[in-house]
Amino acid sequence: DARVTQTPRHKVTEMGQEVTMRCQPILGHNTVFWYRQTMMQGLELLAYFRNRAPLDDSGMPKDRFSAEMPDATLATLKIQPSEPRDSAVYFCASGLGDKTGFSGNTIYFGEGSWLTVV
Amino acid sequence: GQQVMQIPQYQHVQEGEDFTTYCNSSTTLSNIQWYKQRPGGHPVFLIQLVKSGEVKKQKRLTFQFGEAKKNSSLHITATQTTDVGTYFCAGRSTTSGTYKYIFGTGTRLKVLA
Repeated sequence: DARVTQTPRHKVTEMGQEVTMRCQPILGHNTVFWYRQTMMQGLELLAYFRNRAPLDDSGMPKDRFSAEMPDATLATLKIQPSEPRDSAVYFCASGLGDKTGFSGNTIYFGEGSWLTVV
Repeated sequence: GQQVMQIPQYQHVQEGEDFTTYCNSSTTLSNIQWYKQRPGGHPVFLIQLVKSGEVKKQKRLTFQFGEAKKNSSLHITATQTTDVGTYFCAGRSTTSGTYKYIFGTGTRLKVLA
């Protein structure tokens, strides 16, 4: 079964350290999303890419977060420096979109990267 | 900015009872998606609604998109313990980017056997 793969699955790090999360979208999908989930804020859209180009990263704290797609098989989300308030589950999702959205195509979420910053 | 609210926040039902969650957007939506997330799991796409007044069914699940395309509902008939989880709607505003889906606050469903 095709699936979105995220690494690491779990990460505990100290405040101030750099954290890099990686995502391998489903082969052939042209749209990749990064979401963050916390109890307080729910699921927040951080950034998304279409054909590797960043379309919107307005949901992302610009001073410490950065998202890139170095190639079609890899998306990265980096936090530098990390802070305790960044503790959350970070989900990557991918889908096959067209100019109107996703039509009947499913968006698939990865299993998430559980980040704890102490 | 666009906000998507869901009610109720929590719902406990006896197995066999029906369940409904409502999704309300502050802006008109181009389309809306529904997801289910099991405890400790990841969101799983259920369906997408596009047309005003659209109704779609998946076995015991009925999804509806409001006429004004600002609200939606998910109804589960005769709940089962396998329905446990959090149900999210995700809407794309007519004024936002083509792929910008904002998730609702979610409704956590607990089914008592």
